[in-house]
Amino acid sequence: SYVLTQPPSVSVAPGQTARITCGGNNIESKSVHWYQQKPGQAPVLVVYDDSDRPSGIPERFSGSNSGNTATLTISRVEAGDEADYHCQVWDSSSGHPYVFGTGTKVTVL
Amino acid sequence: QVTLKESGPVLVKPTETLTLTCTVSGFSLSNVRMGVSWIRQPPGKALEWLAHILSIDEKSYSPSLKSRLTISKDTSKSQVVLTMTNMEAVDIGTYYCARIIDGYDHFDYWGQGTLVTVSS
Repeated sequence: SYVLTQPPSVSVAPGQTARITCGGNNIESKSVHWYQQKPGQAPVLVVYDDSDRPSGIPERFSGSNSGNTATLTISRVEAGDEADYHCQVWDSSSGHPYVFGTGTKVTVL
Repeated sequence: QVTLKESGPVLVKPTETLTLTCTVSGFSLSNVRMGVSWIRQPPGKALEWLAHILSIDEKSYSPSLKSRLTISKDTSKSQVVLTMTNMEAVDIGTYYCARIIDGYDHFDYWGQGTLVTVSS
């Protein structure tokens, strides 16, 4: 089945930029979605189809996808951005269509 | 306003069957474009997709758990039900239901989740 690999953790100072990667074989051929999950809460969609934002999500959240790596970028990081971030794709080549990444903990210093 | 809410037992015994219910509002399960998935998350671990239902005839399951899972829906009650047989300790975690609109492949709304523990 398709595997998505994320770094376990990313640390960033307030006001700086956080970049969270999601690695997968030829991931650029897939649409990548990103979810934010704060402690004890359900995931919230922050980016879909590589770079689109649902209504209500700040423009500080952006996404890109190229080659074997997709990236979620959080600009002007705030304390409230501290959370786990999960990438997700749909993989039609296996019987396991909805694949999630390993998750990245973003810590705001 | 779209909402999903999971309900079910907090504690099940090993070998027992788990039955979880997802009650939705703000959209209709009779709409052929509205799908609901179940996703779980063991403590401190990654999200894992379990099963999906779009219509009575369109269901899909995680290959590794397919023999243990059954998903169904009752449109009159706005509910999607997941059963998982032969529960064991590795099944401990938070179980979420989430919505997918047909034609898209991301989950736009999630329930709050329900924590399930397996212990005798």
